[in-house]
Amino acid sequence: DAGITQSPRHKVTETGTPVTLRCHQTENHRYMYWYRQDPGHGLRLIHYSYGVKDTDKGEVSDGYSVSRSKTEDFLLTLESATSSQTSVYFCAISEYGTGAYNEQFFGPGTRLTVL
Amino acid sequence: KNEVEQSPQNLTAQEGEFITINCSYSVGISALHWLQQHPGGGIVSLFMLSSGKKKHGRLIATINIQEKHSSLHITASHPRDSAVYICAVRDSNYQLIWGAGTKLIIKP
Repeated sequence: DAGITQSPRHKVTETGTPVTLRCHQTENHRYMYWYRQDPGHGLRLIHYSYGVKDTDKGEVSDGYSVSRSKTEDFLLTLESATSSQTSVYFCAISEYGTGAYNEQFFGPGTRLTVL
Repeated sequence: KNEVEQSPQNLTAQEGEFITINCSYSVGISALHWLQQHPGGGIVSLFMLSSGKKKHGRLIATINIQEKHSSLHITASHPRDSAVYICAVRDSNYQLIWGAGTKLIIKP
């Protein structure tokens, strides 16, 4: 398995509180991604990073921010959590970015519940 | 309309049956991926293909570029094959578009 960990694995929080999810990799891959997974939807890209301090928005970036100060860590922050952000969040990494055969490796996921 | 459609959404079968999961897409693609998500949540890549057929153990993936359709087959299915199978395509801009997944349950 690719060396990707996510923390915490489960979190319950209240509406309006800030939440930070962490993704840590030991593969030295350049690209890192945050997705959310909800019933009836495919994985939806929130933000991604193509290098230290280089990030860009995905299709569902509103209400989320990210930071990448080190190659191995990619943080996802919900500044003020809302119930619509209750979801399972997956981090992924890839060695290459947008090549046709680019393969992504996934972390175990974080289940976030916002009450 | 979703750009990547998987069918069926849910599939329950008996151990030993031949399984087919379908993926249809409406965009031009550079590659198609099949992934497996186990009940515990972990997602692993099974296949990446842009033409023809690939086989790995009891799993076979085929793609027909002209018909914009791919199938994932499982031969001699086993309860441990129970999982969600996800199709994703990389479009001509190399962006990944994900299907909603097919939940497969294999009963002993």
